[in-house]
Amino acid sequence: AQKITQTQPGMFVQEKEAVTLDCTYDTSDPSYGLFWYKQPSSGEMIFLIYQGSYDQQNATEGRYSLNFQKARKSANLVISASQLGDSAMYFCAMSLNTDKLIFGTGTRLQVFP
Amino acid sequence: GAVVSQHPSWVICKSGTSVKIECRSLDFQATTMFWYRQFPKQSLMLMATSNEGSKATYEQGVEKDKFLINHASLTLSTLTVTSAHPEDSSFYICSAAQTGSDGELFFGEGSRLTVL
Repeated sequence: AQKITQTQPGMFVQEKEAVTLDCTYDTSDPSYGLFWYKQPSSGEMIFLIYQGSYDQQNATEGRYSLNFQKARKSANLVISASQLGDSAMYFCAMSLNTDKLIFGTGTRLQVFP
Repeated sequence: GAVVSQHPSWVICKSGTSVKIECRSLDFQATTMFWYRQFPKQSLMLMATSNEGSKATYEQGVEKDKFLINHASLTLSTLTVTSAHPEDSSFYICSAAQTGSDGELFFGEGSRLTVL
């Protein structure tokens, strides 16, 4: 069965430091996509970064990078130089052959000064 | 970037009434839209896949007669919560897949439903 696991209910990080949010996934399908979304308190879902299962290199988008380790089935999100505005819920998600997304339970990130 | 709009952003209704939530893709066509439900501090749970011109596909455990989905056009999908009860109070979010795209999804802002 397809599943996304985020084991960290919450994380704290000091401003300007880097933080890693963990995500592991489970699927037997060779073709899949991995996503990270940010959800601030307003509730909207903000797309951060995408990694395809056949992508050779780890995805990067500005301060966000995805540490993709296919053999370990992990897709951790690394946020560098944390900012106060990064405080939010972060969801890892996976898509298979369709556009349907399977979400993890989320990690609440708190950035303090 | 592509924009998906949800309306209303929040709604309060009495128990037993029905509430309709709209999800519109403003600047692209979306053959497929998805409806999610999110309880406080919990993940998004996919409720159903809405396909333009055909019946929605519901996830296991979601009552199709309770949550009516209509995808009448390539830019509009509606979710109607029928005979709402307090346990239906939740945050409902839609997402849309641009027709012909490589699978990128765009999310609406969400609609918070409170049933009294």
